[in-house]
Amino acid sequence: AQTVTQSQPEMSVQEAETVTLSCTYDTSESDYYLFWYKQPPSRQMILVIRQEAYKQQNATENRFSVNFQKAAKSFSLKISDSQLGDAAMYFCAYRSSQAGTALIFGKGTTLSVSS
Amino acid sequence: EAQVTQNPRYLITVTGKKLTVTCSQNMNHEYMSWYRQDPGLGLRQIYYSMNVEVTDKGDVPEGYKVSRKEKRNFPLILESPSPNQTSLYFCASTAEGGDYGYTFGSGTRLTVV
Repeated sequence: AQTVTQSQPEMSVQEAETVTLSCTYDTSESDYYLFWYKQPPSRQMILVIRQEAYKQQNATENRFSVNFQKAAKSFSLKISDSQLGDAAMYFCAYRSSQAGTALIFGKGTTLSVSS
Repeated sequence: EAQVTQNPRYLITVTGKKLTVTCSQNMNHEYMSWYRQDPGLGLRQIYYSMNVEVTDKGDVPEGYKVSRKEKRNFPLILESPSPNQTSLYFCASTAEGGDYGYTFGSGTRLTVV
């Protein structure tokens, strides 16, 4: 079974600085998708960025980018120019490309941003 | 607006009193799922449905029921709630075969006393 591990329960960063959140996963599949979700205090689950395993190029969405290392099964999220609004719980998630499979989540990393 | 609508947002109930949390999506998604979120455990799948009348257990199905009579609706039923079902619940949907992640509802904070 696939698993997702986020080894940093909490992280902190100052405004305008850069922070990297770690995520590793375990799978025997070669085709899958990886996601980062943000959960602010409003508790809404917001998709931040997604990566397709067969694409070598790292995904980027504005200030958010990933470092996808398929051989190492690593999928870290880098937040550049951190803002107060980035403070949230961040979840890494994995989904197989097979039909009907679940989105499997890590336990989350709480990010705090200070001014 | 494309969305998943969950109700209620907050619910306090007593042990053993049957309740239903509703979930509806307007995106014609085939796949719908229920998750519960607990501190330190992340989100865990309760049940999922690949289409109308097709449902199956996720990782933590004990104490829950679901139904999928219409494509847009996927209610979660707790027939005899217990305090260990106190949690934050999310409904989510996605287009089967799509790779755009799930769209989540706003969550239901359930407290069973």
